[in-house]
Amino acid sequence: QAGLTQPPSVSKGLRQTATLTCTGNSNNVGNQGAAWLQQHQGHPPKLLSYRNNNRPSGISERLSASRSGNTASLTITGLQPEDEADYYCSAWDSSLRAWVFGGGTKLTVL
Amino acid sequence: QVQLVESGGGVVQPGRSLRLSCAASGFTFSGYAMHWVRQAPGKGLEWVAFISYDGSAKYYADSVRGRFTIARDNSKNTLYLQMDSLRVEDTAVYYCAREDRDFDIWGQGTMVTVSS
Repeated sequence: QAGLTQPPSVSKGLRQTATLTCTGNSNNVGNQGAAWLQQHQGHPPKLLSYRNNNRPSGISERLSASRSGNTASLTITGLQPEDEADYYCSAWDSSLRAWVFGGGTKLTVL
Repeated sequence: QVQLVESGGGVVQPGRSLRLSCAASGFTFSGYAMHWVRQAPGKGLEWVAFISYDGSAKYYADSVRGRFTIARDNSKNTLYLQMDSLRVEDTAVYYCAREDRDFDIWGQGTMVTVSS
């Protein structure tokens, strides 16, 4: 099953802004949007944003999600050391009748 | 608190079977659909299977369809993944995750190693 496309890595400086992207097609991201998850090494993933771009309770306001066409984006402002992690997007694919993940983006905070 | 705890992982030979369990607590298990998601060592997340809140709908990834079976027992607040005809490429940490519009709650995972 085809997955979503994410850049393998992004590096930004402390207190800078990072924007992570996730590209799919009209059957997945373009249809219902993409959720975003964060995973620190050795830990399970954590939901950061629902497909409707809303944040779950307790998620920092420094994070915001958006979508334009078949591409979803996650913007993190004021980067902190704890933001260094792997970030995944996920979506329901109505054609495949399956959930699909992106390959993940490793965010490095310099 | 809301919690998912996986168990049943281990080392198994290719072609053998294994059953994973996921015990839910802190929420009304019978009201939520559930997923299994896996992560091979050093790799990304791969969705494996989905089951609706009442077990009436099930979906599988192409890579496991026909070999894995997802099931649930709402009376025991437990999710299962029966894995048959295991392959080396099934080696991964297996997570159960709650579906509340998206994968909102995750367990800690259980490691499955398929090796001769």
